[in-house]
Amino acid sequence: DTAVSQTPKYLVTQMGNDKSIKCEQNLGHDTMYWYKQDSKKFLKIMFSYNNKELIINETVPNRFSPKSPDKAHLNLHINSLELGDSAVYFCASSHGTGAFVSRGYTFGSGTRLTVV
Amino acid sequence: DQQVKQNSPSLSVQEGRISILNCDYTNSMFDYFLWYKKYPAEGPTFLISISSIKDKNEDGRFTVFLNKSAKHLSLHIVPSQPGDSAVYFCAASGDSGYALNFGKGTSLLVTP
Repeated sequence: DTAVSQTPKYLVTQMGNDKSIKCEQNLGHDTMYWYKQDSKKFLKIMFSYNNKELIINETVPNRFSPKSPDKAHLNLHINSLELGDSAVYFCASSHGTGAFVSRGYTFGSGTRLTVV
Repeated sequence: DQQVKQNSPSLSVQEGRISILNCDYTNSMFDYFLWYKKYPAEGPTFLISISSIKDKNEDGRFTVFLNKSAKHLSLHIVPSQPGDSAVYFCAASGDSGYALNFGKGTSLLVTP
């Protein structure tokens, strides 16, 4: 069983569309994240949820909206897609804070979004 | 601004030799440092971490060294194997809660 699974793996869509990426983890972790890897391969935090509560919301356009229906799921909805949104989006999960960070996150395999 | 830097985009090493991947950081508030390995079309996989109160952590063929005064860490892989060929990301946490700050990665190629 995949620990952190995200769907779809590939997503090609036209500018202006609205799309969602889903993420689920079966590790019992209480914290989930969305990271974006841009064309320069730089992995950057977008959002973090702890026990369904938003705790990190980096400088991301408000067209991006995360939704966490429960601790095991964190979905990413993107409105009015733009060319610059093309990237690989990674979902991840972890046990919360402090020393648990040293155990590392578990990442999903990524969703490659291409906006045309 | 980038707080974690990996200045070598690529490294090539012969099988059996030591691979040394370097990482520099600017934020003295970081308290944990981690290394991730990434294969194409997969997510990063956690390798090893070190707390800021230590200067070395070892796990099998992987050793991470931390020099806090220089704000520098390195990952040593001994002996290197062809299966180690991947992109290695350095990451740090501690200044913004749960988030990890990543470097841009170093692509390691281990040749037979």
